[in-house]
Amino acid sequence: GENVEQHPSTLSVQEGDSAVIKCTYSDSASNYFPWYKQELGKRPQLIIDIRSNVGEKKDQRIAVTLNKTAKHFSLHITETQPEDSAVYFCAASYTGNQFYFGTGTSLTVIP
Amino acid sequence: NAGVTQTPKFRVLKTGQSMTLLCAQDMNHEYMYWYRQDPGMGLRLIHYSVGEGTTAKGEVPDGYNVSRLKKQNFLLGLESAAPSQTSVYFCASRKGGYNQPQHFGDGTRLSIL
Repeated sequence: GENVEQHPSTLSVQEGDSAVIKCTYSDSASNYFPWYKQELGKRPQLIIDIRSNVGEKKDQRIAVTLNKTAKHFSLHITETQPEDSAVYFCAASYTGNQFYFGTGTSLTVIP
Repeated sequence: NAGVTQTPKFRVLKTGQSMTLLCAQDMNHEYMYWYRQDPGMGLRLIHYSVGEGTTAKGEVPDGYNVSRLKKQNFLLGLESAAPSQTSVYFCASRKGGYNQPQHFGDGTRLSIL
């Protein structure tokens, strides 16, 4: 099956700085890559996703880039705010049935 | 429109006891999933269903059973609970077709003593 690796496991940034989280995947057939944000004690919530026919997608302060050749994709958060503090998960899917998740990145934004 | 609802929210069991976790969605989604979340291990798929009456195994199915008798409900059963099954369980659902995002419930925190 697919194997998704996520780095770093923890990340601290000053408020206003940018944060970047990277994921790699093993199966070149994967074609859908969602990112989820999970606040402490809450459910994972979709924040952005990208399909394999697109190289980059932006939504306000959040962007995701995909490099199909290298089999990696990244989440970029600009102008970070304290409310961005959470655990972020990447995922990959190729069958449309199963999703494979990374192990998560705990982001702390220091005011 | 409640989305994905999981019951119960918390439960403590003794080793060997059985229980069923219920997931209900009101979005008419075709696909439903059960995950477990353990510290440092992300979300791991237990079982999933692509439609009413169908189920399939995920990455970590051992010790669990599921049923999807109605489209809106997906049940996760533990026949003989073990301490290794202590975890937070999340249910998710999504529309049919490729590249559709999952919508998660609030989770069930389960402790096995």
